Amino acid sequence: LAKTTQPISMDSYEGQEVNITCSHNNIATNDYITWYQQFPSQGPRFIIQGYKTKVTNEVASLFIPADRKSSTLSLPRVSLSDTAVYYCLVGAHYNTDKLIFGTGTRLQVFP
Amino acid sequence: DTGVSQNPRHKITKRGQNVTFRCDPISEHNRLYWYRQTLGQGPEFLTYFQNEAQLEKSRLLSDRFSAERPKGSFSTLEIQRTEQGDSAMYLCASSTRQGAGEQYFGPGTRLTVT
Repeated sequence: LAKTTQPISMDSYEGQEVNITCSHNNIATNDYITWYQQFPSQGPRFIIQGYKTKVTNEVASLFIPADRKSSTLSLPRVSLSDTAVYYCLVGAHYNTDKLIFGTGTRLQVFP
Repeated sequence: DTGVSQNPRHKITKRGQNVTFRCDPISEHNRLYWYRQTLGQGPEFLTYFQNEAQLEKSRLLSDRFSAERPKGSFSTLEIQRTEQGDSAMYLCASSTRQGAGEQYFGPGTRLTVT
């Protein structure tokens, strides 16, 4: 599975838009990009998944450039409750039974 | 949909003792996964089941670890002769379809070995 690189931590204030970028230079043709969120003392929670261009759901947007070597998770107008660790994962859509997590990005939202 | 449940939520044990954790997946999910997470790290894959069949085991799963999923419903993870290095959060997840990248995680069992 492709290795990912993301910032260790980010700080933001309530109401701001937060963009977390993930690098995956060795992404394969069949690989999808998936983001998970994890609060302290809880299991990770699926946020969004995409293959190319842009995907949006009620929680976040995922931007993927044409070369797919990076992706950006965008959280609009964050609140204190968005303080969490965000993981970027890359793997083949048909074979992601084994999720490979990195160390993630610790987002701290301040009032 | 009551979500994935895990019991116990916390376990403190002395080195050398055996411990067993239970995971109840979402009822219609045929795939069940175990992960381990240490402080400051992301979850690490341990093993997974499709129905009652254990299809893959990580090399992290030493001989002291054993997982079962009888009848393809709940699963248990047993650690024999626990060591201090086994202290971690043990996470269970389940899913319905292969390769979707979307797994539903339980709250985890935090194991502390003293």
